[in-house]
Amino acid sequence: DIVMTQSPDSLAVSLGERATINCKSSQSVLYSSNNKSYLAWYQQRPGQPPKLLIYWASTRESGVPDRFSGSGSGTDFTLTISSLQAEDVAVYYCQQYYSPPFSFGPGTKVDIK
Amino acid sequence: QVQLVESGGSVVQPGRSLRLSCAASGFTFSSYAMHWVRQAPGKGLEWVAVISYDGSNKYYADSVKGRFTISRDNSKNTLYLEMSSLRAEDTAVYHCARGRIQSYYDASNIWGQGTMVTVSS
Repeated sequence: DIVMTQSPDSLAVSLGERATINCKSSQSVLYSSNNKSYLAWYQQRPGQPPKLLIYWASTRESGVPDRFSGSGSGTDFTLTISSLQAEDVAVYYCQQYYSPPFSFGPGTKVDIK
Repeated sequence: QVQLVESGGSVVQPGRSLRLSCAASGFTFSSYAMHWVRQAPGKGLEWVAVISYDGSNKYYADSVKGRFTISRDNSKNTLYLEMSSLRAEDTAVYHCARGRIQSYYDASNIWGQGTMVTVSS
């Protein structure tokens, strides 16, 4: 089974500043035949279900603000919020969908400094 | 609009069984793989199970394998999770989720609000 880890566990960023979250998989989630990494990022605000932000490691879901971006390939991935807004306070999860069980990372809590 | 609504959550004693349902609307249910994902109080997301669009393929988390069964009725636009031999550690909000495309090798862009299952004597 693929184990997902995230760092940091939490971070506090000033409004308008950059937030960076890292995600690592225990084995590669890159499918060589299509050169896609099977990695998604979700945002979960308190009391809400998760919301898909990024899929294929770097493709933004429709309607997601362009301050959210994803990068990485293989086993190492990053979610960047370029200019933190108040509504971005949430927990962020990565998930691999390369091989079942489709495991999530433990989450990173983002707060305002 | 596209919607998933879970139901069936309740307080249940350890060792008992429970069936959750997820009613889908606003899209062609039979064309999409469906997932169950749970979240224990104050904890992170845990993927539970997935079923292919036609019900022919199913996969489970190790923590529920042999105790939980995912199924679907495409004629009723409904997803199910049959849970047996319930344990305290199964206490969680259970969400159903739909992938973006037909394949279950995909991210989930539609989520229900969830239904709470509490396993306690």
